[in-house]
Amino acid sequence: NAGVTQTPKFQVLKTGQSMTLQCAQDMNHEYMSWYRQDPGMGLRLIHYSVGAGITDQGEVPNGYNVSRSTTEDFPLRLLSAAPSQTSVYFCASSYTLRGGAGDYNEQFFGPGTRLTVL
Amino acid sequence: GQQVMQIPQYQHVQEGEDFTTYCNSSTTLSNIQWYKQRPGGHPVFLIQLVKSGEVKKQKRLTFQFGEAKKNSSLHITASQTTDVGTYFCAGRWGNQFYFGTGTSLTVIP
Repeated sequence: NAGVTQTPKFQVLKTGQSMTLQCAQDMNHEYMSWYRQDPGMGLRLIHYSVGAGITDQGEVPNGYNVSRSTTEDFPLRLLSAAPSQTSVYFCASSYTLRGGAGDYNEQFFGPGTRLTVL
Repeated sequence: GQQVMQIPQYQHVQEGEDFTTYCNSSTTLSNIQWYKQRPGGHPVFLIQLVKSGEVKKQKRLTFQFGEAKKNSSLHITASQTTDVGTYFCAGRWGNQFYFGTGTSLTVIP
């Protein structure tokens, strides 16, 4: 298994450009999510999906779009890049094991995309 | 939105010393997860705690979940240079995870 893969690893954009960050997983996980990581702020949830055809907003969704047409892929689109979107972006996927005490859902992270917007 | 506070932000320890990082939430959590991120790497899952008052151990690492399910801690006994990295907690509300700001651990040989 390749696990969670992300492309590209690095990207430089100019303000106003658009692009798509790719994320794919081969573990048949229903749940997928996108985070951004900025210094001193931990990881913040951008968008997430609980299954194909279902997406929802996270903590910081403005300026980003997502879609989930298949279980495997969860691309993140930047519509009009801004310098404030300079960050490291991580995609993650997880399964859910239902237990008596609650759900167990380990998240598997991709290697990340380092994005710079000039 | 939900917030998970994590302290300290940085910790420097001598090799062999103990280390603890703490997470606090203002509201009750469904569960809490802990991750480790090495410099330049991605977060790697360590453990998940679900039950009130739960304590789990992984070799030198001890994880606790508070009785009210609002706080958690990670304790490392006798730190080693391989423990270097940033440790994050992540609280779950519904289908969303909220990460703490992380504790960056430096171990001095």
